[in-house]
Amino acid sequence: GAVVSQHPSWVICKSGTSVKIECRSLDFQATTMFWYRQFPKQSLMLMATSNEGSKATYEQGVEKDKFLINHASLTLSTLTVTSAHPEDSSFYICSARDETNHNEQFFGPGTRLTVL
Amino acid sequence: GQNIDQPTEMTATEGAIVQINCTYQTSGFNGLFWYQQHAGEAPTFLSYNVLDGLEEKGRFSSFLSRSKGYSYLLLKELQMKDSASYLCAVTDSNYQLIWGAGTKLIIKP
Repeated sequence: GAVVSQHPSWVICKSGTSVKIECRSLDFQATTMFWYRQFPKQSLMLMATSNEGSKATYEQGVEKDKFLINHASLTLSTLTVTSAHPEDSSFYICSARDETNHNEQFFGPGTRLTVL
Repeated sequence: GQNIDQPTEMTATEGAIVQINCTYQTSGFNGLFWYQQHAGEAPTFLSYNVLDGLEEKGRFSSFLSRSKGYSYLLLKELQMKDSASYLCAVTDSNYQLIWGAGTKLIIKP
């Protein structure tokens, strides 16, 4: 199957700092990528849909100014958590949709963010 | 609204068979996926159904009935490593993936 990488795998930062997470589709082009957040023992929660060359579409309740998404190429989307606070600590997972493969979403390995 | 229902938790015995059901109500249908997610890891693809019937892949099989809005994932010869959450997801008419909350499967020796 297709491969999606995510970097970094884990990050610890101080409250008030910004953290950037990268999501790359390694062997296919992805017009659409997705960013999810998952708290312990809870299901995936879609945060936003990232569209190459245009603005991201945010789910209700997700602050667009806090979670900045950039999808500048067909293989890269970035999520920047600005002014992070302890409540932003979570497991962030990206996925990329392969339109040549049943529109299946291939997931990155996830980024565990801990804000102190 | 769009809705996907699956049991919250199931328990089964090592070596046995378990069936995890999923019912859905979505605006349009362009396929149903099953994903496996181990704790602390990202989901991994298990199966895809877009036509009615059974798709078999080793110990795992997935069934779809579009007229009933129903699918199940069948796991045979259960192993301890199968303990995980199993996520049902449906692609709607806009090719958006609608997720179920997942079923936590606990395997006991």
